[in-house]
Amino acid sequence: DVKVTQSSRYLVKRTGEKVFLECVQDMDHENMFWYRQDPGLGLRLIYFSYDVKMKEKGDIPEGYSVSREKKERFSLILESASTNQTSMYLCASTPLGEGLTYNEQFFGPGTRLTVL
Amino acid sequence: AQTVTQSQPEMSVQEAETVTLSCTYDTSESNYYLFWYKQPPSRQMILVIRQEAYKQQNATENRFSVNFQKAAKSFSLKISDSQLGDTAMYFCAFMISNAGGTSYGKLTFGQGTILTVHP
Repeated sequence: DVKVTQSSRYLVKRTGEKVFLECVQDMDHENMFWYRQDPGLGLRLIYFSYDVKMKEKGDIPEGYSVSREKKERFSLILESASTNQTSMYLCASTPLGEGLTYNEQFFGPGTRLTVL
Repeated sequence: AQTVTQSQPEMSVQEAETVTLSCTYDTSESNYYLFWYKQPPSRQMILVIRQEAYKQQNATENRFSVNFQKAAKSFSLKISDSQLGDTAMYFCAFMISNAGGTSYGKLTFGQGTILTVHP
């Protein structure tokens, strides 16, 4: 069974703390993604990675960084957490596609982060 | 850039009835996929149905079907015989086809529609 896991379901942090959100997939997928989910805004792409040590900015990268040292693990880092980063964070992965081949994106269960 | 718009923040339906969720999108791409995802209270995103833009035939999956109008850039989801387990947030999403390996499978999502099925 395909699996994407996230390190925490719920997380509470204080303003200014450094926060790590971890995502692990066991499907040997090349592509991994971090999305942020907010009411009325849907899911927005923060960063994605198409290979180990490779990363690309998504639509809302400000205030975030990422790390991908191993193929199966993709970390989202909040260098100095702020209250406007209180949100639901979803990780996803998909294999490398070829041509017009469709590859399903598999999601983790999400981490609800509260920054006080 | 692509945009996806879901103009219905909330919908409700009686059990066993039919409901249609709306989605419009904007793109200059010619090859792409459209999806409907379901997110129940458990928060796990579940793929409901997908449509390839090059296919004229509307996709169906059991009780779920789409009305894909490419010229109008419209992609609605019809749920027939609604069940209590259909209660969830539904997201419409867009993905550029992976020609040349440049899309990386990135999804662009709409704002979501909360669907409540009443007994």
